[in-house]
Amino acid sequence: QVQLQESGSGQVKPSETLSLTCTVSGARLTSGRDSWDSWGWVRLPPGRGLEWIGYIYHSGTTYYNSSLASRVTMSAYASKNQFSLNLRSVTAADTAIYYCVRVDARNHDGFDIWGPGTPVTVSS
Amino acid sequence: DIDLTQSPSSLSASLGDRVTITCRATQGVAGYLNWYQVKPGQAPKLLIHGASVLQTGVPQRFSGGGSGAELSLTIDDLHLEDAATYYCQQTYSTRALTFGGGTKVEI
Repeated sequence: QVQLQESGSGQVKPSETLSLTCTVSGARLTSGRDSWDSWGWVRLPPGRGLEWIGYIYHSGTTYYNSSLASRVTMSAYASKNQFSLNLRSVTAADTAIYYCVRVDARNHDGFDIWGPGTPVTVSS
Repeated sequence: DIDLTQSPSSLSASLGDRVTITCRATQGVAGYLNWYQVKPGQAPKLLIHGASVLQTGVPQRFSGGGSGAELSLTIDDLHLEDAATYYCQQTYSTRALTFGGGTKVEI
């Protein structure tokens, strides 16, 4: 069964870069059935709603939320079965629980698998 | 971007009730509308994809309907464990996915 696990910095100072990694188990990032899938990031700020950050296809093509695009980079590392999120120049507004997800292209691009989430706090 | 407006933003209902949450999009989404359940301390869970297709393992008291730019999630026979916040999401615009603002269901 496919599982995702986020890891990375839980506390980041304002203006610095938030870096998270998602490790995929039970599936390969870039081959087989999984070539239909893409992999993404979603966040849930305290007291607010879900926000899509972006996703990366098996081909390496990326799509980002336009409100974050100038600060976001996503990458995939097939040999490690991982993908990553970098968010530059963070502010307190970037404090949230960050989730990595599998985007299931065979089912209307629903986010069918989620990591448990990792809390990130932006504070000096 | 396609904006999604959910209504109501919150509701209170009783065990066994039927509740319906509406998601209105600023344009038609051709059925590319998904619903998620979020409980505190847990990862969100995909309930319905493609507007009306129940995700494997989700109880049949959950159903999705509607078309075009107006979609809905209905929960029949409300259970205690259905207390959560529910979000719609459109994946029609593949380069700009969006979520609705959420509906908190209290029991």
